[in-house]
Amino acid sequence: AQSVSQHNHHVILSEAASLELGCNYSYGGTVNLFWYVQYPGQHLQLLLKYFSGDPLVKGIKGFEAEFIKSKFSFNLRKPSVQWSDTAEYFCAVNAGSNYQLIWGAGTKLIIKP
Amino acid sequence: EAGVAQSPRYKIIEKRQSVAFWCNPISGHATLYWYQQILGQGPKLLIQFQNNGVVDDSQLPKDRFSAERLKGVDSTLKIQPAKLEDSAVYLCASSLGRLAGGIGETQYFGPGTRLLVL
Repeated sequence: AQSVSQHNHHVILSEAASLELGCNYSYGGTVNLFWYVQYPGQHLQLLLKYFSGDPLVKGIKGFEAEFIKSKFSFNLRKPSVQWSDTAEYFCAVNAGSNYQLIWGAGTKLIIKP
Repeated sequence: EAGVAQSPRYKIIEKRQSVAFWCNPISGHATLYWYQQILGQGPKLLIQFQNNGVVDDSQLPKDRFSAERLKGVDSTLKIQPAKLEDSAVYLCASSLGRLAGGIGETQYFGPGTRLLVL
């Protein structure tokens, strides 16, 4: 069965630190890749997505992610985090015979002011 | 633009009781999704509708869960009878539905219904 792995369940960083959240998936075919974010008290919302083309995808609020097909990875990055980036981040993949969206378990990011 | 609406926001029931959740998607969105999110896990798709037809319900426990989307707009998800392990947040999402199966489309989520089964 297809799966999505997010390596860290909790990450704590100081403001201005660089961020990289890992995401790996297990599917060898064509995929669409997403990062969603849930800020405290808010709904899940799209951060960025990869559909086709340039494997380096830029999203909102200075986030970017790189699709590396050979590594089955879609890691999320931000060069300098802010306190307002405190949230839970989910990686998700359209994959498989029915292309349903398969989600990782999420990474809780806490930014210390 | 109004977002996805869900009600109730919270529900506490005892096991073996029944419960229903309601979702109103973004106007014009043809695809509607119901997810179950257990604490500490990512969302798991229960059922996906395209207009009023079911696209995928492979992970819906059909012995106790049912869902409908009459007229292709609002949707209800029902659990009868509830078990302790049904305690979770139930998320509704919608997308435009212009791509087959909603593949690659951005999903817009509601606030969720937090269910506690005692």
